[in-house]
Amino acid sequence: DAGVTQSPTHLIKTRGQQVTLRCSPISGHKSVSWYQQVLGQGPQFIFQYYEKEERGRGNFPDRFSARQFPNYSSELNVNALLLGDSALYLCASSPLPTSGAYEQYFGPGTRLTVT
Amino acid sequence: AQKVTQAQTEISVVEKEDVTLDCVYETRDTTYYLFWYKQPPSGELVFLIRRNSFDEQNEISGRYSWNFQKSTSSFNFTITASQVVDSAVYFCALSESGYNTDKLIFGTGTRLQVFP
Repeated sequence: DAGVTQSPTHLIKTRGQQVTLRCSPISGHKSVSWYQQVLGQGPQFIFQYYEKEERGRGNFPDRFSARQFPNYSSELNVNALLLGDSALYLCASSPLPTSGAYEQYFGPGTRLTVT
Repeated sequence: AQKVTQAQTEISVVEKEDVTLDCVYETRDTTYYLFWYKQPPSGELVFLIRRNSFDEQNEISGRYSWNFQKSTSSFNFTITASQVVDSAVYFCALSESGYNTDKLIFGTGTRLQVFP
C-alpha cells in the first residue's frame, strides 16, 4: 500500500506570494494533520482535519488555512508568505483522531523556501 | 502545559557502540501516548514506537529498546550495536490531551551520527 504522499517536493516562492501544498493520506485513513518543521527544530502542529472538519489548530496566524476533501486528501494554503515561513511542511495521516491511540504516519514533506 | 525535552542535541558514536537517547516529558494527563520517530536525511519521519501511559513494560525490537519510567517522566531509547544506517535525527513526541485529537508535541530532536 502507498504511504502518505505530498506534492510538490520542493517549492521556491517570493515574499508576499501564496502557496498551496497537497497531501494524500494512506488509503483508509480519514484524519490528516499538518506540521511545520523549521530547520533544527521539531515539527510544530498546524492543523488537523477529520471528515472535512477542522479538529485542531496550532498557534499559527490566519495566513495559514487548510481544507480536506471528500476523498480525505488535504491542502494547506499559506498567504502573504514571509521569510520565516521557509520550512519543511509535513503531512501525517491516521485512521481516526484518537489522541494517540493510533500511530500517525508521515509523508516525505514539502520543502518551502521563501526568498 | 505539555512539553517534551530532549536535552542531547547531538551524539556521535563509533559503529557497534551502544547509545541511549533521552526523553523527558511533562503532562498532567493520566492517559497519554509517547512516540519515537526517526528522521533520516531524506526528511520523512519514520514511526518507531508508540507507548501508552498505562504500560510501563520495556520494549525491545531487534537492536532497539525503550525504557518508560513514569516516576521520572522519561521515555528513553537505546540502540544496541549501532550502525552507520542509524545516523539520523530522532524525535520523541507526546500526544496532546483532549478528545479526538491527533496533535503531537515534539521535542527538539537528537542528531545521532554513527561513524564507521
